[in-house]
Amino acid sequence: DAKTTQPPSMDCAEGRAANLPCNHSTISGNEYVYWYRQIHSQGPQYIIHGLKNNETNEMASLIITEDRKSSTLILPHATLRDTAVYYCIVLMYNNNDMRFGAGTRLTVKP
Amino acid sequence: DSGVTQTPKHLITATGQRVTLRCSPRSGDLSVYWYQQSLDQGLQFLIQYYNGEERAKGNILERFSAQQFPDLHSELNLSSLELGDSALYFCASSVDGGASGRGEQFFGPGTRLTVL
Repeated sequence: DAKTTQPPSMDCAEGRAANLPCNHSTISGNEYVYWYRQIHSQGPQYIIHGLKNNETNEMASLIITEDRKSSTLILPHATLRDTAVYYCIVLMYNNNDMRFGAGTRLTVKP
Repeated sequence: DSGVTQTPKHLITATGQRVTLRCSPRSGDLSVYWYQQSLDQGLQFLIQYYNGEERAKGNILERFSAQQFPDLHSELNLSSLELGDSALYFCASSVDGGASGRGEQFFGPGTRLTVL
């Protein structure tokens, strides 16, 4: 599976959009991009995933570049409860063997 | 609430002992995954079972073993425990074993294991 690179930490003001980048330059054509987050020591929570089209759900939007070498997770109106570690994972089709990296620690500040 | 349950929530034991962690997947989910999260190693995938059979193996030690039962619940057995085995152990479930790119896994609240 392709490796991912994320900034170790980011800050965001409450109410603003949080844009979390992820580089996955070695991604192959049948690999999906998944985002999870982990709040404190709770179990990780699925956010969104995509293959090549941009995706949106009630939690977030996922923007994948045309060459698929990077993506951005967007939390449109960050709240204090969005403070968490966000993981970007690239996963082969037909494979649920997820490898979590260090992720990005997002701190939403009032 | 993800619908995945894990017991016990906390476990304190001594080195050399053996423990069993239990996981019940969401209703209808056929796959169960086990992860270990320690302070210095992050979240590490251990093993996956799909409908009773081992599907994928990660960084699982030989002292550790798992199984998935006919009712789809799973147990992770940790033996000859060492201080370094102290960690959070998460179970996750998904509806399938990896087909259709549906990697959406639902995680339980975890079991915190402390080895003294």
